[in-house]
Amino acid sequence: DTAVSQTPKYLVTQMGNDKSIKCEQNLGHDTMYWYKQDSKKFLKIMFSYNNKELIINETVPNRFSPKSPDKAHLNLHINSLELGDSAVYFCASSQVFPSGSGANVLTFGAGSRLTVL
Amino acid sequence: GDSVTQMEGPVTLSEEAFLTINCTYTATGYPSLFWYVQYPGEGLQLLLKATKADDKGSNKGFEATYRKETTSFHLEKGSVQVSDSAVYFCALSPGGNNNDMRFGAGTRLTVKP
Repeated sequence: DTAVSQTPKYLVTQMGNDKSIKCEQNLGHDTMYWYKQDSKKFLKIMFSYNNKELIINETVPNRFSPKSPDKAHLNLHINSLELGDSAVYFCASSQVFPSGSGANVLTFGAGSRLTVL
Repeated sequence: GDSVTQMEGPVTLSEEAFLTINCTYTATGYPSLFWYVQYPGEGLQLLLKATKADDKGSNKGFEATYRKETTSFHLEKGSVQVSDSAVYFCALSPGGNNNDMRFGAGTRLTVKP
């Protein structure tokens, strides 16, 4: 059973289109994330949700809109796609330990490679 | 804000060579530190972690010690294998109830037979 699964794995689309990437985790974690990895492997956090509530919203164009229908799902919708949106998008989840008692370990999905033509 | 800086790659080694990938951090509190590994075509996986100063994380022959005095968490392995070829990310989590995780730029390691 895949712990963090994202679909689709590959997505090729034209500039200006709207697309979504879905993520589901079966670990019972409270927190989910979206990261963007560029061609140089640089990993940048985009959003973080805790129990369906947005808690991290980095400087990301408002064409990107996360949606969390429940704490096991965090979807990413992208409007008006641009060439610069081409990247691998990773979903991750974690369970935050009580203060001072542990560490926040992320479990990642396999990634969704988006190519905008 | 809190951040990590790791040595730029790529790093190319022969099998059985000694590996060091440097990582230093900047943090206002008492962060937890991590190394994640990304094999080709896959997502990141936790390699090891340390939650407080002087802790040593270890896994699969890799080690890293949380050094507060030098704000470092260098990754080492005594004898690398071809199967260790991957991209390695140093990461920091501020701790407490802060869910944030900040990654370094990644270091690509290639091990040749």
